[in-house]
Amino acid sequence: KQEVTQIPAALSVPEGENLVLNCSFTDSAIYNLQWFRQDPGKGLTSLLLIQSSQREQTSGRLNASLDKSSGRSTLYIAASQPGDSATYLCAPFASGAGSYQLTFGKGTKLSVIP
Amino acid sequence: NAGVTQTPKFRVLKTGQSMTLLCAQDMNHEYMYWYRQDPGMGLRLIHYSVGEGTTAKGEVPDGYNVSRLKKQNFLLGLESAAPSQTSVYFCASSVLTGTGSEQYFGPGTRLTVT
Repeated sequence: KQEVTQIPAALSVPEGENLVLNCSFTDSAIYNLQWFRQDPGKGLTSLLLIQSSQREQTSGRLNASLDKSSGRSTLYIAASQPGDSATYLCAPFASGAGSYQLTFGKGTKLSVIP
Repeated sequence: NAGVTQTPKFRVLKTGQSMTLLCAQDMNHEYMYWYRQDPGMGLRLIHYSVGEGTTAKGEVPDGYNVSRLKKQNFLLGLESAAPSQTSVYFCASSVLTGTGSEQYFGPGTRLTVT
């Protein structure tokens, strides 16, 4: 069974700082991995999808890396802003026989202080 | 293009009552999913469907039933609601390609069972 761990559980940084969120997963047989953002009381917004054959994916100030063999992904946020405050979730998509599902970590709650 | 929509947005039930949550997507996606999100537990998969007329159990299926009579709709039913089913329910849809799957989420339904 896939297990996903996100470290740290919470993070508070001053505005403008660069930061890294970590995600580890136990089963490396994945198609891809998605990073999501969730604002309080809201749904999930997909930030980046990184294919299993890719090492990195970038969107604006966000950069996600994937090391499938070691079961790790990181989300790098450059020049953080107060509007980046949210919970960030990572979710690998399983490719094992009969499996068609994302498994979610519990998230990292980010607070960016003005 | 509305994406993924969920009805209703909020609902309060009494123990033993039944209800159906509706999820609709207009992206012609084959795959649809129902998750629940609880504090400290993260998002957990309840049931999913890989196409019209098909359903499969996820991680926490007990107490729920689902139906996928039309490709664009995925219904989640609670036959006899229990306080343990108080949660936020999210629907998602995706299409599976040779390189993986990107899931799109609805805004959620907040359910309270008293």
